[in-house]
Amino acid sequence: KNQVEQSPQSLIILEGKNCTLQCNYTVSPFSNLRWYKQDTGRGPVSLTIMTFSENTKSNGRYTATLDADTKQSSLHITASQLSDSASYICVVSAGTYAGNMLTFGGGTRLMVKP
Amino acid sequence: DGGITQSPKYLFRKEGQNVTLSCEQNLNHDAMYWYRQDPGQGLRLIYYSQIVNDFQKGDIAEGYSVSREKKESFPLTVTSAQKNPTAFYLCASSSSLGPGETQYFGPGTRLLVL
Repeated sequence: KNQVEQSPQSLIILEGKNCTLQCNYTVSPFSNLRWYKQDTGRGPVSLTIMTFSENTKSNGRYTATLDADTKQSSLHITASQLSDSASYICVVSAGTYAGNMLTFGGGTRLMVKP
Repeated sequence: DGGITQSPKYLFRKEGQNVTLSCEQNLNHDAMYWYRQDPGQGLRLIYYSQIVNDFQKGDIAEGYSVSREKKESFPLTVTSAQKNPTAFYLCASSSSLGPGETQYFGPGTRLLVL
């Protein structure tokens, strides 16, 4: 069964600090991995996408890494801002052409305090 | 939320009542999806549609029904057979069905049972 596990479930940091969120997956066959940001009561918005051959991808203060051998990914947030408070969801896509090709993690809820 | 609208934002359902959630997109996307989000859990696929007049069951289709009469519209009906409908419902669309396509999400509808 395809699974995506994220840790920690929740995290509180002070504004300006860095943090790293983790994602472990067992999805086969692997196609790509995305990180989404979801503000409370809103739909998720894509931050990064990485395929098998990519080790790192940046989007402003967000940097995602992928280790396809260990099936792990991380999302590093640099110099956090209050607007970074949200849930961050790791989504792994299987190499199929079916609607259920995406497996979603449960998310990490990040709170940035002033 | 980019071009995908969902209504209403909040919806209340009485015992034994069917309710319909609206999803419209102006992105000219062929594929559309419905997901259910429960606290602490990953998004789960209810139904998806690859093209007009065609749709497929996802992982948790029981108690739900959909239609796809127009390319831009994909309404979801929560029937009385769905015994635990309280959740956050997200509609998404992508250019086509496939692991490389990014899904764009709407703002969501929160369904509550009276």
